[in-house]
Formats: sequence, C-alpha cells, structure tokens
Amino acid sequence: GAGVSQTPSNKVTEKGKYVELRCDPISGHTALYWYRQSLGQGPEFLIYFQGTGAADDSGLPNDRFFAVRPEGSVSTLKIQRTERGDSAVYLCASSTGVGGTDTQYFGPGTRLTVL
Amino acid sequence: QKEVEQDPGPLSVPEGAIVSLNCTYSNSAFQYFMWYRQYSRKGPELLMYTYSSGNKEDGRFTAQVDKSSKYISLFIRDSQPSDSATYLCAMSAPGGKLIFGQGTELSVKP
Repeated sequence: GAGVSQTPSNKVTEKGKYVELRCDPISGHTALYWYRQSLGQGPEFLIYFQGTGAADDSGLPNDRFFAVRPEGSVSTLKIQRTERGDSAVYLCASSTGVGGTDTQYFGPGTRLTVL
Repeated sequence: QKEVEQDPGPLSVPEGAIVSLNCTYSNSAFQYFMWYRQYSRKGPELLMYTYSSGNKEDGRFTAQVDKSSKYISLFIRDSQPSDSATYLCAMSAPGGKLIFGQGTELSVKP
C-alpha cells in the first residue's frame, strides 16, 4: 500500500515569507507526528496528533510554527515569517496508535531552504 | 546534555566486517528502544525495536539493550555495501514521540 507522502519535496523561500508543508499519512493511521531534521542531526520532535487534536505540541520552537489536522487525516505544518534558521528537512510520520510499540512510518520529508 | 547521545562517525568499514553502533541515554523513563536506518534524502525506516534488556536478533542485525547502564547497541554482521546509510537510535517517550540520537553515518566499502 501507499506510504506516508509529503509535499512539496523541496521548498525554497525568502526570509519573512509564509510556508505550508503537507503530510498525507497512511490510510487508517490515527497518530501523526511532525519532526524536524537539521543537517547532520537526528530528527527532533515538533508536534503530534491523535485524531484531529494536537496531543503534544511541546516541540514547536515558537509561535511562528503551527500545525493542523482538521479531518483526522491530512496534516499541514505552517510556518510564518520564516527565518534562515528554519532551514531543515521536515519529516512526517504516522502510526496506528501512540503506544511505544506502534511503529512510526516516515515520509521522505520536505526540504525547506530559507534564503 | 542531550537525552540521547550517539557518536556521529563517520564510520567506514570493509565489506564483511562486523559493525558496532552505540547510544547512551539519560532518561530512565524510556522503555522502548529502536534503531532506524536512513538512506540519503529518504525518511528513516525502522530496522529493529526492543523493550527489554538483553539481545534481539534479526538476520545479520542484533540489538542489545543494557538498562542498568543506559546503553544500547546495534551490531551488523557480514556488512554489505547496501548497509551504507545513517543509523539512528531512538527512544520512545510517553505519548509515543521519539527522541533520536544524532545518527551515525556508516560506509561499507566493497
């Protein structure tokens, strides 16, 4: 079956602009996670959804970052007033649940470059 | 200090070598331990998962957890060029979010 898909695969924007990154999870997966991976680093947790609600947004770095999942499927990560430090690969993952034994399946990521 | 520490390498070995990858962690609340493999410009994929101290084998891969020392390892036997990738250790925190190590870049030379 189809895996997690993310669009766009690459996004180049200018400092100060607004961007939206989209994640399509595996069908039927109720949990959805966003991570950010900087060059040479492991992924860092941003936020996760159980259904439509954000269950934990403790990893969002500041109020310029916001994510939604209005119908419990597709999610959008929104970044306002982008800064050069926001440049990274943004990864989305989905799983059937939020237990430690529920495997998270990752998408290929969106590579964001802020000039 | 980071919750999960991993030697970033890079690590270069000849084909057929045994590879040892390691992570240490500081949070005793971590209960589930994973190794992910990430090829260049791809998302991480789960390689192995364990939740108890001891060894777990899967083909050429062995995952080892020592909770008393807060130390986990991944061993790769008979390494192949196709094993060349970045290996990430990860711990599952409450709610399921994963805390990753920095990743070790492995290159297996033919």
